[in-house]
Amino acid sequence: RKEVEQDPGPFNVPEGATVAFNCTYSNSASQSFFWYRQDCRKEPKLLMSVYSSGNEDGRFTAQLNRASQYISLLIRDSKLSDSATYLCVVNGWSTGGFKTIFGAGTRLFVKA
Amino acid sequence: DAGVTQSPTHLIKTRGQQVTLRCSPISGHKSVSWYQQVLGQGPQFIFQYYEKEERGRGNFPDRFSARQFPNYSSELNVNALLLGDSALYLCASSLGGGNNQPQHFGDGTRLSIL
Repeated sequence: RKEVEQDPGPFNVPEGATVAFNCTYSNSASQSFFWYRQDCRKEPKLLMSVYSSGNEDGRFTAQLNRASQYISLLIRDSKLSDSATYLCVVNGWSTGGFKTIFGAGTRLFVKA
Repeated sequence: DAGVTQSPTHLIKTRGQQVTLRCSPISGHKSVSWYQQVLGQGPQFIFQYYEKEERGRGNFPDRFSARQFPNYSSELNVNALLLGDSALYLCASSLGGGNNQPQHFGDGTRLSIL
């Protein structure tokens, strides 16, 4: 089982749609969680941190469920510019020390 | 303010050679991490350094090594290069050693092995 798993997609949605991504992680000792976006042939860029209480940044809402070991990202009113790969990231201590584990990413295409 | 800077941007090597990649963190950041990314996959964690000490290591062979200097810049070394080492190598920095610190990435070094 992978340490962090995401649905690879692709998700093809029209402009204005709401889309949700989920990500599961296996290390129950994981301590911090993030969503990044990555455009083609570019570096990952931080989208938002994820907290158990949930957090919102404009059209983006992230949620952490520690009991079920998954995190989610909701994008409302999708824009063409939201087309990218979305990566979930899990930090924590395990054998080998502190590790940052990325999911394989979920591709999103927003169409006009 | 300068972001994370990596050099070189592109590199071509042959099998068996050795390579050194360099990274300068955002000013004030004390932690540097290295990742390998191949097409279609997320970045794979190689190392994290904080205050010049190795804090974590991913599942990479001993051919991969790194170090962090007193000015918090870092080098990643890969010996005995294999074709499978062809990838984008990303460096990321974060403010401190706290687990909740987000990481900020450089543009990466694209390494091709012939």
